[in-house]
Amino acid sequence: QVQLVESGGGVVQPGGSLRLSCAASGFTFSSYGMHWVRQAPGKGLEWVAFIRYDGSNKYYADSVKGRFTISRDNSKNTLYLQMNSLRAEDTAVYYCAKEVERFGEFYFDYWGQGTLVTVSS
Amino acid sequence: SYELTQPPSVSVSPGQTARITCSGDALPKKYAYWYQQKSGQAPVLVIYEDSKRPSGIPERFSGSSSGTMATLTISGAQVEDEADYYCYSTDSSGNHRSVVFGGGTKLTVL
Repeated sequence: QVQLVESGGGVVQPGGSLRLSCAASGFTFSSYGMHWVRQAPGKGLEWVAFIRYDGSNKYYADSVKGRFTISRDNSKNTLYLQMNSLRAEDTAVYYCAKEVERFGEFYFDYWGQGTLVTVSS
Repeated sequence: SYELTQPPSVSVSPGQTARITCSGDALPKKYAYWYQQKSGQAPVLVIYEDSKRPSGIPERFSGSSSGTMATLTISGAQVEDEADYYCYSTDSSGNHRSVVFGGGTKLTVL
């Protein structure tokens, strides 16, 4: 069965950095695009970043562009999110999500349980 | 920027039919997807491509789309269906920069 397990969250000061990981299993990781989606406390879902199955294309939300970097290691079945210059508004649960692409559209069929990032002094 | 609009809350009694709407200008050309998120849990896909139900999702969940509005219907809502529901789609470009979630609808069943 598909499993996505995030790790690396914690408390960090404003301006600090953190790297999140998402360990994938139960599917051929190297064949699927992957996303990070976040959810601030008590708020809705916000898409953060996408990486193509082979790492050749990456896209970011405007709110994190230039500060966050998505990457993947297909040999380790692991997705990453490097977060720099963190701000209080980045405080959220971060989910990794597996993409399904069909009929020219894409959506998320599996999500991890999330890891909490708290940016606070 | 593109937006999907949902009502903040919907309330029904157990056994009644709950309908949650999602409006967006690109929905006539793009599929709508629905996620259920129970308190403290990750989102779960309950409807994809407007009206298809993933394996394991109860038959009481159904979806439809007409014009600029998509609707999630829960026929005979159960107490365990109480959750936040999010619609998802993309704008007309359909590219990976255009991911949009609706603001979410809190379904109360009591």
